[in-house]
Amino acid sequence: EAGVTQFPSHSVIEKGQTVTLRCDPISGHDNLYWYRRVMGKEIKFLLHFVKESKQDESGMPNNRFLAERTGGTYSTLKVQPAELEDSGVYFCASSQGLVIQETQYFGPGTRLLVL
Amino acid sequence: AQSVTQLGSHVSVSEGALVLLRCNYSSSVPPYLFWYVQYPNQGLQLLLKYTSAATLVKGINGFEAEFKKSETSFHLTKPSAHMSDAAEYFCAVGAMDTGRRALTFGSGTRLQVQP
Repeated sequence: EAGVTQFPSHSVIEKGQTVTLRCDPISGHDNLYWYRRVMGKEIKFLLHFVKESKQDESGMPNNRFLAERTGGTYSTLKVQPAELEDSGVYFCASSQGLVIQETQYFGPGTRLLVL
Repeated sequence: AQSVTQLGSHVSVSEGALVLLRCNYSSSVPPYLFWYVQYPNQGLQLLLKYTSAATLVKGINGFEAEFKKSETSFHLTKPSAHMSDAAEYFCAVGAMDTGRRALTFGSGTRLQVQP
């Protein structure tokens, strides 16, 4: 079974540009999460989808970030316009959705560098 | 609100020595706890999790952790370190009763294993 995949693995953009990150969860997983790790600090929660609906977006830093999950399959996270402080590693995770304490399976992350 | 403190951003042990990575949590509701590991250029992999069953949890690769409510701790141990254990380790906490699935992570501990 394929794990969580993320694309691209690395992205280098200039301040003010737009970047779109993609996440493909494990097949059949209703829950999809985005997290990010900035500057070697702790990994922080951004938002949680259940199928195509945003269940919890309390961690989204500002309105420059837009997450979508059309059709309840893959998800995209767009940053527009990107700022220097957006640099970091963006992780996607998925879980099946049966119980609250179930394991979240993480992808390899997208390393974003904003110059 | 929840928080996680991982004492020691870097830990170095000799091959064959005991590994002890410390994690203390704060949670106003019953927690569930995870240890994840990130090997170089890979995503986060689940080592083990505590979900209110047995307080001593055994994970993969010989690791185990003990949930101690009185000490609000969930330290990770391995009796004998192997070179392949060199990685970054993350402790994370989730809230059992709130319905939110967001995990709160510690800042990570990088384990170095000396030959």
